[in-house]
Amino acid sequence: DAGVTQSPTHLIKTRGQQVTLRCSPKSGHDTVSWYQQALGQGPQFIFQYYEEEERQRGNFPDRFSGHQFPNYSSELNVNALLLGDSALYLCASSLGGGGYEQYFGPGTRLTVT
Amino acid sequence: SQQGEEDPQALSIQEGENATMNCSYKTSINNLQWYRQNSGRGLVHLILIRSNEREKHSGRLRVTLDTSKKSSSLLITASRAADTASYFCATDLYGNKLVFGAGTILRVKS
Repeated sequence: DAGVTQSPTHLIKTRGQQVTLRCSPKSGHDTVSWYQQALGQGPQFIFQYYEEEERQRGNFPDRFSGHQFPNYSSELNVNALLLGDSALYLCASSLGGGGYEQYFGPGTRLTVT
Repeated sequence: SQQGEEDPQALSIQEGENATMNCSYKTSINNLQWYRQNSGRGLVHLILIRSNEREKHSGRLRVTLDTSKKSSSLLITASRAADTASYFCATDLYGNKLVFGAGTILRVKS
């Protein structure tokens, strides 16, 4: 049973560019959440997708957007990259409805220069 | 902003000793979860405790929850070098939106 997978593993971008990160949830899960983790900090919730719609959103600007596909996989897009967007981006999958543990992928390390 | 705070920020113990980490949070919760993270990679779920539970065990892990004090503790008994990692508590009010603390860095020396 495959767990949560994310691609790419590492990414280097320049300020102002756009980036797309991808996530495939654990088999049987229908909800995908994205988190940003800066160095030395705990993960911060970006948003959550369920039934192909954004269900919840954290305190992140509109430059951060996402999408969920019918097979429950998801993308995170970040436009107009800033140096401060450098972080580990984590995807987590879970069952819809809340109150369940989340399964995290290995993350994508994004470096903005 | 982060919901909770873990205490201590860092902990160094000898193999075989017990490790206790504490977490405080600010708002009402549906459940509280503990996660482990090795070397800045993905988080591994350790245990989930619901707001109506006071204590939960899983192998060498024991978690307590005191909703009146808005606090939780994670006890790892008979620690091993492989337990070296960062440990995070995360609260969930509804809908699986987890709010994490800053974490405790645990180092177990062999």
